[in-house]
Amino acid sequence: QVTLRESGPALVKPTQTLTLTCTVSGFPLTASGMCVSWIRQPPGKALEWLALVDWDDDKYYNTSLKTRLTISRDTSKNQVVLTLTNVDPVDTATYYCARNKNYDFFDSWGQGTLVTVSS
Amino acid sequence: SSELTQDPAVSVALGQTVRITCQGDTLRLFDASWYQQKPGQAPLFVIFGRNKRPSGVPDRFSGSRSGNTASLIITGAQAEDEADYYCHSRDSGGDHVFGTGTKVTVL
Repeated sequence: QVTLRESGPALVKPTQTLTLTCTVSGFPLTASGMCVSWIRQPPGKALEWLALVDWDDDKYYNTSLKTRLTISRDTSKNQVVLTLTNVDPVDTATYYCARNKNYDFFDSWGQGTLVTVSS
Repeated sequence: SSELTQDPAVSVALGQTVRITCQGDTLRLFDASWYQQKPGQAPLFVIFGRNKRPSGVPDRFSGSRSGNTASLIITGAQAEDEADYYCHSRDSGGDHVFGTGTKVTVL
């Protein structure tokens, strides 16, 4: 059974760096075709893809946010980590991690974690 | 990056058919996938590869594509289909893009 679980702080102050962790189970991060993405959703708004790491540890970023984003993985812990620097209240959102195979559709999602940016 | 545009809201009578559309230039090159999201829940993917359903998704859900428009069709809508629906695709620059979302109300 494939599962993904997000963890991280619920509250972050403006200008700080947000670090989120996605712990996966049921599939190896290094299996051919396996990718993990981070996606966010501000309250009442649409989904926004942020970043992806593939089975070869290649990384891809949302063009408009790439200067603030870093995605990395720790295969020994089955974890994918996202950092977002210099956060602002507009970064308040539920952050999801999701699996996508071969850079395509997202077939499994975590339950999401709500992050609020506020002083 | 590319944009995918959806109608904000549609309504359908119980048991009738509704089509949810998604427009964007990237759809001329890449297939869309579709996600259902109910309040307080993570998205659930319902259509991929233009018209393939994951295991467990009812066959009343189907997809199609023509030109720059992808569609999700619910044939015989049920009360439990009331949700937000998002399309998704990739673009030639490597970004993933989600649609603006459509709220479906079953009357």
